[in-house]
Amino acid sequence: GAVVSQHPSWVICKSGTSVKIECRSLDFQATTMFWYRQFPKQSLMLMATSNEGSKATYEQGVEKDKFLINHASLTLSTLTVTSAHPEDSSFYICSARIGLAGGPSGTDTQYFGPGTRLTVL
Amino acid sequence: KNEVEQSPQNLTAQEGEFITINCSYSVGISALHWLQQHPGGGIVSLFMLSSGKKKHGRLIATINIQEKHSSLHITASHPRDSAVYICAHISNFGNEKLTFGTGTRLTIIP
Repeated sequence: GAVVSQHPSWVICKSGTSVKIECRSLDFQATTMFWYRQFPKQSLMLMATSNEGSKATYEQGVEKDKFLINHASLTLSTLTVTSAHPEDSSFYICSARIGLAGGPSGTDTQYFGPGTRLTVL
Repeated sequence: KNEVEQSPQNLTAQEGEFITINCSYSVGISALHWLQQHPGGGIVSLFMLSSGKKKHGRLIATINIQEKHSSLHITASHPRDSAVYICAHISNFGNEKLTFGTGTRLTIIP
């Protein structure tokens, strides 16, 4: 099946630094990638939807200047947590959608990356 | 109230038991996913279905669109099935966002 990778799998950083997380679709082209955040014992929460070659669409309450998303190619999206603070510590997961951009959503298949655990000290 | 409700929240069973996890939702949907999240955090998509029933190995997923209800069954459960199982739906409203349930933590005891 389709494989999505994330790098790094975990990162520890000091408060105030920026951290970049990569999400790659390894054997398919993903027109759309999604970024989620999951706090301990909570469900996944969508942060933003990233379409190749266009600006990401952020969910309400997610600061676009803090969580920079770049979807430069059909196989790579990056999430940069700028000026990270301890409250940004979380598990970040991306997913990639196989399907035609703008096509019927019922035909979507999303494949999830393994996640990146961010700890901000 | 969460749009997607799962039950039970936690389930512990003996190896070999038949497992059922339920998912109810409140809006019209175009498709529903069942996902498995292991302790390390990685998520695997088990099923995507919009009607009827799907089977893969020991896993069976069913959905009743009229009743807005889906179930995930595991036959002959095994300790390696221990994980959090999450249902998530794509609404009928034309966007492609997934709305997630809170998950069911399954523990299978040898």
